[in-house]
Amino acid sequence: AQKVTQAQTEISVVEKEDVTLDCVYETRDTTYYLFWYKQPPSGELVFLIRRNSFDEQNEISGRYSWNFQKSTSSFNFTITASQVVDSAVYFCALWEYGNKLVFGAGTILRVKS
Amino acid sequence: DGGITQSPKYLFRKEGQNVTLSCEQNLNHDAMYWYRQDPGQGLRLIYYSQIVNDFQKGDIAEGYSVSREKKESFPLTVTSAQKNPTAFYLCASSIESGDSNQPQHFGDGTRLSIL
Repeated sequence: AQKVTQAQTEISVVEKEDVTLDCVYETRDTTYYLFWYKQPPSGELVFLIRRNSFDEQNEISGRYSWNFQKSTSSFNFTITASQVVDSAVYFCALWEYGNKLVFGAGTILRVKS
Repeated sequence: DGGITQSPKYLFRKEGQNVTLSCEQNLNHDAMYWYRQDPGQGLRLIYYSQIVNDFQKGDIAEGYSVSREKKESFPLTVTSAQKNPTAFYLCASSIESGDSNQPQHFGDGTRLSIL
């Protein structure tokens, strides 16, 4: 069975600090996809990134970066120079061939000015 | 702008009452989904539909029903059989389902509470 663990329930940082959100997943399949979503206070989930299991290259998009390591089954998300607008709940999710999207419990990020 | 519209934003249910949550999308997506979100938990799949007039149960379908008569619409009914309906409900859509791994696009959600 697939499973996604986000061990950090809540993280608080001061603006401009770097912060890493952890995501560990379990799957028996060799083909799978990993996602990160952001849920701001308004409620909707905003898609951030999708990564397939065959692509272990790290990705950077502005202040966001993702570190995918199959050896440790992790797909961690780092925000550099955090801003108050980054305050949200962040979800990691796993899609496995033939199955549906499974979400982690989410990490609440609070960025204080 | 294209997107997903959920209504109402807030909904209150009396004991023994059925209520229906609306979800409409103009993204021309084939697949639509309903999730339930409880505090401290991730999203759990209630029902999903890959095509018009077809839908499947998700992980927590008991006490819920859906219909998919139009591609754009996927309403969710919370029946009186759902004993703990208080939650945040999110509707999503994607280009395709089945073997798809395409990102899902989400609505703003409906918060349901019991009176």
